[in-house]
Amino acid sequence: EVQLEESGGGLVQPGGSLRLSCAASGFTFSSYWMHWVRQAPGKGLVWVSRSNGDGSTTNYADSVKGRFSISRDNAKNTLYLQMNSLRAEDTAVYYCARAPMGRSIDFDYWGQGTLVTVSS
Amino acid sequence: QSALTQPASVSGSPGQSITISCTGTSSDVGGYNYVSWYQQHPGKAPKLMIYDVSNRPSGVSNRFSGSKSGNTASLTISGLQAEDEADYYCSSYTSSSTFVFGTGTKVTVL
Repeated sequence: EVQLEESGGGLVQPGGSLRLSCAASGFTFSSYWMHWVRQAPGKGLVWVSRSNGDGSTTNYADSVKGRFSISRDNAKNTLYLQMNSLRAEDTAVYYCARAPMGRSIDFDYWGQGTLVTVSS
Repeated sequence: QSALTQPASVSGSPGQSITISCTGTSSDVGGYNYVSWYQQHPGKAPKLMIYDVSNRPSGVSNRFSGSKSGNTASLTISGLQAEDEADYYCSSYTSSSTFVFGTGTKVTVL
């Protein structure tokens, strides 16, 4: 069974940093593109970033480019999102999501999300 | 990248059909056949319902169908059921190698 479990969320002050983790199981992690998607409280989904299977190709939304960094440790089956220079507008539930085999598009499995709150 | 435009809400009676639109630009919806649709119940993670404009993943009811014309994609739910009440989001690949979601549509079953 495919499982994705995010962790690392919490309360952080503006300008601070946080690293999110997404532990994957039930599939060959290194063979799949992975994404981060966020959702502010009561708002819609927003795509954040993606990484290919070996981490050599990454893309970012303009709103986080230069502040966030996606990475992965395939030996630990874990995806990361390093978030720096955090702003109030980064407050959201952050989901990791898997793309289907052989594709980088779409998100066929999602974790339950971890809440990041940026506030003083 | 601006969010794709969806109606805020759509409603219908059980058994009826409803259609949700998703309007973008030639740089996203109109430029690629990479539109997908997600269903999200309150407090839950999204679920993939349609990919590549009109394909259904295994296990998704055939009451859900997708289409596209120009810069606008559509999701149709036929034979509306109480369990279909949820938020629905479209998503598209973009010319910047990124992704953009729609503004979301709340479906209410009357």
